[in-house]
Amino acid sequence: GEDVEQSLFLSVREGDSSVINCTYTDSSSTYLYWYKQEPGAGLQLLTYIFSNMDMKQDQRLTVLLNKKDKHLSLRIADTQTGDSAIYFCAESIYNQGGKLIFGQGTELSVKP
Amino acid sequence: DAGVIQSPRHEVTEMGQEVTLRCKPISGHDYLFWYRQTMMRGLELLIYFNNNVPIDDSGMPEDRFSAKMPNASFSTLKIQPSEPRDSAVYFCASTGGGNEQYFGPGTRLTVT
Repeated sequence: GEDVEQSLFLSVREGDSSVINCTYTDSSSTYLYWYKQEPGAGLQLLTYIFSNMDMKQDQRLTVLLNKKDKHLSLRIADTQTGDSAIYFCAESIYNQGGKLIFGQGTELSVKP
Repeated sequence: DAGVIQSPRHEVTEMGQEVTLRCKPISGHDYLFWYRQTMMRGLELLIYFNNNVPIDDSGMPEDRFSAKMPNASFSTLKIQPSEPRDSAVYFCASTGGGNEQYFGPGTRLTVT
């Protein structure tokens, strides 16, 4: 069945790069997503990548996709304290409408 | 657009009471999703609709949970009777093309 796995915690120093990793199992995924959740708020879509791409860059964010290994990563350059949040990886499943399968989330802590 | 609107933002109720959560999706979006988030189980998809029709309700925990979408701009999630283990944050999300889900701020439900 479909499954998305993430490590639970990541701690970095302000100004460093953060890399959050995700693995998924369904090879028919069409899109893969990264969402950010701040305390007490809903999930905010950060970026997404189509499954036939291997990289997407958007300002400080870089998404890398290794389709062979079913591995997705999100790199945040020059991490700021405001980036502290929980980051969710999600995959969409072919032929299941808009349904997404979410990972359990990685809590990013940025220390000054 | 105001984004996805959920009400109430917080609900505290006693065990056995009926609870109704409400959602207004983004205008023009034809998919609507209900999620539940807890520390133990993470983010779970409960049910989703396409053009007001329920497509997949396999995530609804049990018969105490029901969801309706009487029109394109309104959906409800009802729990009757409520139990303490239903305490969670309930999110509604909508999408127009099946790719980017936009989340509401959530309803924090506490059942005592």
